[in-house]
Amino acid sequence: QSALTQPASVSGSPGQSITISCTGTSSDVGSYNLVSWYQQHPGKAPKLMIYEVSKRPSGVSNRFSGSKSGNTASLTISGLQAEDEADYYCCSYAGSSSLKFGGGTKLTVL
Amino acid sequence: QVQLVQSGAEVKKPGASVKVSCKASGYTFTSYGISWVRQAPGQGLEWMGWISAYNGNTNYAQKLQGRVTMTTDTSTSTAYMELRSLRSDDTAVYYCARVEPKSFHFDYWGQGTLVTVSS
Repeated sequence: QSALTQPASVSGSPGQSITISCTGTSSDVGSYNLVSWYQQHPGKAPKLMIYEVSKRPSGVSNRFSGSKSGNTASLTISGLQAEDEADYYCCSYAGSSSLKFGGGTKLTVL
Repeated sequence: QVQLVQSGAEVKKPGASVKVSCKASGYTFTSYGISWVRQAPGQGLEWMGWISAYNGNTNYAQKLQGRVTMTTDTSTSTAYMELRSLRSDDTAVYYCARVEPKSFHFDYWGQGTLVTVSS
């Protein structure tokens, strides 16, 4: 099973918006609205930021939003802040109670 | 509040087995699943599998089939992950995470357990 495809890195200046893509196939991202996104700071456990493509857990800033088109899901962060600098991972349901992660994207706030 | 507390770091020799525990509190254990996710040094997240705490059903990642076993003890609200025939590339931080069984997202995570495989 191949991992979902994410860009290795993205960057933006404070206050700007960035989008991280997550490309899968018609067997995973394209078939289910069960994509989630996780933020991971160095040495820390991942944190849920988005689930079911576009839903935000309680306590997550509304600067984070998610969407999906076809086999590609996206995470958008608006009004970039220094604290947003982290690694971001997408995850999709892939059928038969299986899941797969993307390779991760390192976000740098310039 | 929901907490997942994992057992401590382990050092194992190649070919040995390791069993990591994950004690849950702050919610009804049998209403959710537990998934295990690992992260090799400097690498991304890898889904290992999950277990339903409700009925014990499991599903493992294909690459780990035959080497991994996930179990739960509902009397103590604890999940376990055993990995056998350890190799050097199993060196990683192992996380447990609570799984929402209808939407398969991980809403709470343990602190991670470093497993080092070295001769």
